[in-house]
Amino acid sequence: NAGVTQTPKFRILKIGQSMTLQCTQDMNHNYMYWYRQDPGMGLKLIYYSVGAGITDKGEVPNGYNVSRSTTEDFPLRLELAAPSQTSVYFCASSPFREAFFGQGTRLTVV
Amino acid sequence: AQKVTQAQTEISVVEKEDVTLDCVYETRDTTYYLFWYKQPPSGELVFLIRRNSFDEQNEISGRYSWNFQKSTSSFNFTITASQVVDSAVYFCALSEDRGAGNMLTFGGGTRLMVKP
Repeated sequence: NAGVTQTPKFRILKIGQSMTLQCTQDMNHNYMYWYRQDPGMGLKLIYYSVGAGITDKGEVPNGYNVSRSTTEDFPLRLELAAPSQTSVYFCASSPFREAFFGQGTRLTVV
Repeated sequence: AQKVTQAQTEISVVEKEDVTLDCVYETRDTTYYLFWYKQPPSGELVFLIRRNSFDEQNEISGRYSWNFQKSTSSFNFTITASQVVDSAVYFCALSEDRGAGNMLTFGGGTRLMVKP
């Protein structure tokens, strides 16, 4: 079982560039989430979705956008990369009370 | 707003010692869920346990045990006879019953180093 798959695993961006972090899950979960983990810190919620077509902001949404056109996919878009967005990004899905995390994407903005 | 505090940023023990990781939480909800996750050096998040607010029974799983006390808003995690493989960052997290599934608020994590 694949579970939650994130691509890419690593990426270096230049300031001002854009990119999309991909997240897909094959467990048919309604709930999906994007978190970021800054060095030495816990995870913070960026955006979440309770089902296809429905998204909402989390604690730290500035500089990001999401979409949820299908149950399986929940991409995270960075429009104008800034050094403050250097972080590890985790996608998660949940049937309700259990969260399944992807392996993470390590993003560096230089 | 909900908050999770892990006051111990780093703990170092020698193998076979027992170690307790502290977690204190804040929430206004009466229904909530508490979690512990392990993040080994490889970086993934490994689910360890979930506890419901209405179930204060302590839990033991092998060398791991958890002590949930609503009176002190604490959910502490003890590793008995620690091993080098227990070296990791451990996160405590809280989820409130807000109709958004399992939206987690994480503590800052405790880095546990177990030396041989």
